[in-house]
Amino acid sequence: DAKTTQPNSMESNEEEPVHLPCNHSTISGTDYIHWYRQLPSQGPEYVIHGLTSNVNNRMASLAIAEDRKSSTLILHRATLRDAAVYYCILLDSGGSNYKLTFGKGTLLTVNP
Amino acid sequence: NAGVMQNPRHLVRRRGQEARLRCSPMKGHSHVYWYRQLPEEGLKFMVYLQKENIIDESGMPKERFSAEFPKEGPSILRIQQVVRGDSAAYFCASSIGTGGTGELFFGEGSRLTVL
Repeated sequence: DAKTTQPNSMESNEEEPVHLPCNHSTISGTDYIHWYRQLPSQGPEYVIHGLTSNVNNRMASLAIAEDRKSSTLILHRATLRDAAVYYCILLDSGGSNYKLTFGKGTLLTVNP
Repeated sequence: NAGVMQNPRHLVRRRGQEARLRCSPMKGHSHVYWYRQLPEEGLKFMVYLQKENIIDESGMPKERFSAEFPKEGPSILRIQQVVRGDSAAYFCASSIGTGGTGELFFGEGSRLTVL
């Protein structure tokens, strides 16, 4: 599976936008970019996913670089509830898409 | 509108005892997955089951661990003769299918502590 690289931690202030980067320079043409997050003492929660085009949903936006070697998860207005570990995961659409490979992710701290 | 339900949320066992963790998938989901999160590590895939079938157990330790998803009732992850290294959070997830890019829905986890 292709690897992803994320910063260990990031900090934000409440109600400000947050941009969480992810590098995936070895991504293949059939890999989807998925984001999950894990709040303290809870299970992971799906956030968003995309292939080539930027994506928006009620939780966040996903901006994908033109060469697909990197992507950015955007939280438009961070709240205290957004404090979590965010995982960027590549999934081959033709493979075992249930075998999520969770790295260390980015620990997001949101200051009031 | 219940999500994935796991119980118990916390379980304490002494070395050598058995641990049984239960998971009820979301309504309408027939695919169940178990993941384990060791302290200070990321989640790792253990096993994928459908009703009465183990589809992929490539992440399961070869000994002492087993999983089932019977025709009726929840999926069960069973750990026999637990050791301290089994202390971890065990997460169950479910999905409608595995095709394409469907998301997995995770439960809140069962935290096993082995004394």
